[in-house]
Amino acid sequence: GDSVTQMEGPVTLSEEAFLTINCTYTATGYPSLFWYVQYPGEGLQLLLKATKADDKGSNKGFEATYRKETTSFHLEKGSVQVSDSAVYFCALRVDRGSTLGRLYFGRGTQLTVWP
Amino acid sequence: GAGVSQSPSNKVTEKGKDVELRCDPISGHTALYWYRQSLGQGLEFLIYFQGNSAPDKSGLPSDRFSAERTGGSVSTLTIQRTQQEDSAVYLCASSLQDGGWEKLFFGSGTQLSVL
Repeated sequence: GDSVTQMEGPVTLSEEAFLTINCTYTATGYPSLFWYVQYPGEGLQLLLKATKADDKGSNKGFEATYRKETTSFHLEKGSVQVSDSAVYFCALRVDRGSTLGRLYFGRGTQLTVWP
Repeated sequence: GAGVSQSPSNKVTEKGKDVELRCDPISGHTALYWYRQSLGQGLEFLIYFQGNSAPDKSGLPSDRFSAERTGGSVSTLTIQRTQQEDSAVYLCASSLQDGGWEKLFFGSGTQLSVL
């Protein structure tokens, strides 16, 4: 079946450190891949996406590249800020023709950035 | 409203009681999801409504859980004979297919505590 496995947290970094949160997937079809972020006290919101192999999604300094050969979609940021402290969720969706599939989420990774 | 609205924001109930959780999606959004977020468990898919299609109920954990969506808009998630393990944050999300891909908008959730 379709599933997402992401790096377990919590991850604690100092400001301006480099961030990587690993995400790998298993899919029966050709998935679209997403990263969602949940800031403290808020709902989830889309951070970035990629819909085909070798696509790079980017937003707010975060990047993730869709790697079909390694079935991965690792999230990276070159220099984190305190305001990046949140829970990050990797997700996938496999569509069947014109019918959108449902989103499968990973367990989430808590990131805390200290000043 | 501007976003997905869920009510109540908090619900405390006694074991064995029934509860109803409400979700008002963004107007015009055709898809509606229910997820459950438990401490240390990540996001657990419950049910997915897409337009007039039969809902995907594959994530409902037991027959005590049911959901309906009236008129393609408001949705109610009902949990009968609540158990302590039902305690979690219940998240609703709606989406509108936009340019061939789907962006999910989440509500802030209902915190359910079963005593």
